[in-house]
Amino acid sequence: SQQGEEDPQALSIQEGENATMNCSYKTSINNLQWYRQNSGRGLVHLILIRSNEREKHSGRLRVTLDTSKKSSSLLITASRAADTASYFCATDASGGSYIPTFGRGTSLIVHP
Amino acid sequence: GAVVSQHPSWVICKSGTSVKIECRSLDFQATTMFWYRQFPKQSLMLMATSNEGSKATYEQGVEKDKFLINHASLTLSTLTVTSAHPEDSSFYICSAVSGANEKLFFGSGTQLSVL
Repeated sequence: SQQGEEDPQALSIQEGENATMNCSYKTSINNLQWYRQNSGRGLVHLILIRSNEREKHSGRLRVTLDTSKKSSSLLITASRAADTASYFCATDASGGSYIPTFGRGTSLIVHP
Repeated sequence: GAVVSQHPSWVICKSGTSVKIECRSLDFQATTMFWYRQFPKQSLMLMATSNEGSKATYEQGVEKDKFLINHASLTLSTLTVTSAHPEDSSFYICSAVSGANEKLFFGSGTQLSVL
């Protein structure tokens, strides 16, 4: 199974600033997904980017994918205190069964 | 988006008892569900893949007799922690794949505390 690894592990910013977090993975994928988790809750799906896509937008979120570097980034623009959460990436396995696995996540704190 | 309902949200039990956690896909059929375990400030650790109508596939190091998984219908998977001990205390989360779009939808998690 694949594993995404996010960095940084922790990020602390002021409201209004942009937050960028990165994800690296090891082998070929069909798609990569970003999720958000508030403390003590389940994960919420944010965005899916396919291997043939390079960039995708959803509201204040921008995701890029570089398959040559096996990496992805998640940018949250104009952050809000409510964006405080942990963010995880998950990848599938190209050509195999879909078994998503997660890295340790990036813990984002947005100070009001 | 699709909804996955997981309950209970939290449970406290005595050591030696068994605890069942349910995971339901409310508005879609999920042939595959996943069960994860998460310690504070840690990643989600995949425990097992639950396939409707067949035996679950457990990850290495996960005791199948300890964590019983049943996926009897396309909308329900259950995880039973048998003879729970304090070291089983953790946050358990289920997820389900929604059709061909491969998105994962998660339950809200179950915090298990074994005394």
